[in-house]
Amino acid sequence: NAGVMQNPRHLVRRRGQEARLRCSPMKGHSHVYWYRQLPEEGLKFMVYLQKENIIDESGMPKERFSAEFPKEGPSILRIQQVVRGDSAAYFCASSQGRGAYGYTFGSGTRLTVV
Amino acid sequence: DQQVKQNSPSLSVQEGRISILNCDYTNSMFDYFLWYKKYPAEGPTFLISISSIKDKNEDGRFTVFLNKSAKHLSLHIVPSQPGDSAVYFCAASGWGDNAGNMLTFGGGTRLMVKP
Repeated sequence: NAGVMQNPRHLVRRRGQEARLRCSPMKGHSHVYWYRQLPEEGLKFMVYLQKENIIDESGMPKERFSAEFPKEGPSILRIQQVVRGDSAAYFCASSQGRGAYGYTFGSGTRLTVV
Repeated sequence: DQQVKQNSPSLSVQEGRISILNCDYTNSMFDYFLWYKKYPAEGPTFLISISSIKDKNEDGRFTVFLNKSAKHLSLHIVPSQPGDSAVYFCAASGWGDNAGNMLTFGGGTRLMVKP
């Protein structure tokens, strides 16, 4: 009974490249949330998705960041033209129903921009 | 504007003693509070939660207290064990627009339990 799977665990990108982070929710979970943790800070909400729908993207930077959760396959967080300030740990969580009560987090992807 | 604050970045406690981790919030719309534990290179793991209709919730060695008038909650761990050494995050959720979808996290407190 796998938990929330995130890959890759570590990702190194040069400035200007694209980063793609993947998240497979727990079996039976159809709600996916992405959070970012900058060094020495708490986790900050980015986006909430259900299958094929973005429900709440109030925490997403306006440019370069996008997220999707297609009908088939994992949720993808995409960062275009990465900059050093994008270096952070990105965590995905999933839940069976809507709301913050039943989150299960993945182990995260640590993005380093060099 | 930090809506959830953990003012102590670190706490050191002797094994067997009580650990008290504190959290303050400013948003009156928050009605559900959670504590997460995080080890290095892992995701946060849910520990315990409390609804705003309660002032205390207990689960084994872990108790969370909520003081709504002071907008303050605390996590008590008794007795503390070396395996409890981790970063603890306080988080809050509320209703209003899409606020119920997301958690607002504090900055975390690093707990070190010394043998």
